[in-house]
Amino acid sequence: GQQVMQIPQYQHVQEGEDFTTYCNSSTTLSNIQWYKQRPGGHPVFLIQLVKSGEVKKQKRLTFQFGEAKKNSSLHITATQTTDVGTYFCAGRSSNTGKLIFGQGTTLQVKP
Amino acid sequence: NAGVTQTPKFRVLKTGQSMTLLCAQDMNHEYMYWYRQDPGMGLRLIHYSVGEGTTAKGEVPDGYNVSRLKKQNFLLGLESAAPSQTSVYFCASNIQGSTEAFFGQGTRLTVV
Repeated sequence: GQQVMQIPQYQHVQEGEDFTTYCNSSTTLSNIQWYKQRPGGHPVFLIQLVKSGEVKKQKRLTFQFGEAKKNSSLHITATQTTDVGTYFCAGRSSNTGKLIFGQGTTLQVKP
Repeated sequence: NAGVTQTPKFRVLKTGQSMTLLCAQDMNHEYMYWYRQDPGMGLRLIHYSVGEGTTAKGEVPDGYNVSRLKKQNFLLGLESAAPSQTSVYFCASNIQGSTEAFFGQGTRLTVV
């Protein structure tokens, strides 16, 4: 079945350093979504990528969707303590409608 | 606008007991999902529904049943709870397949 894998599982950075998390799917995706979950909270939608090779930016966050629509990345420039949390990618299969999440990357930022 | 509401927020069950988790959304969404979240495992899809009266299995459906009798409600049932079902359960919904999913606050379930 469809699998979405995310690396790394954990990342500790010093405030001001950059951070990247990678997402890979075993199948071609119709779109990919990114969510953020603060400690003790619930996942909150960040963005959706649909087109092959698409790049979107939200302030210090840059999201990319691979050319083959099987991988994606989230890059944060100059991390801040407010970036702490777990970042999930979620892939939707074009033929089942399932929304499958990766394992998530937990980001810790040292001030 | 309440969004997605899960009931209850916390529950402790004894092994073998049954219970139903309720998810209600007031956004007229077609798609609804139940996930469980365990440390290091991310969010794993239990069951989902693409419309009223329809349900489908996700990645980890064993030990759970669901019903979607009304469009706004998605129920998750545990017929005979096991300690392996100790987890945080999240419900989510969206308008249709390719849109933002909205999550409930979660239900923390402990089976002893």
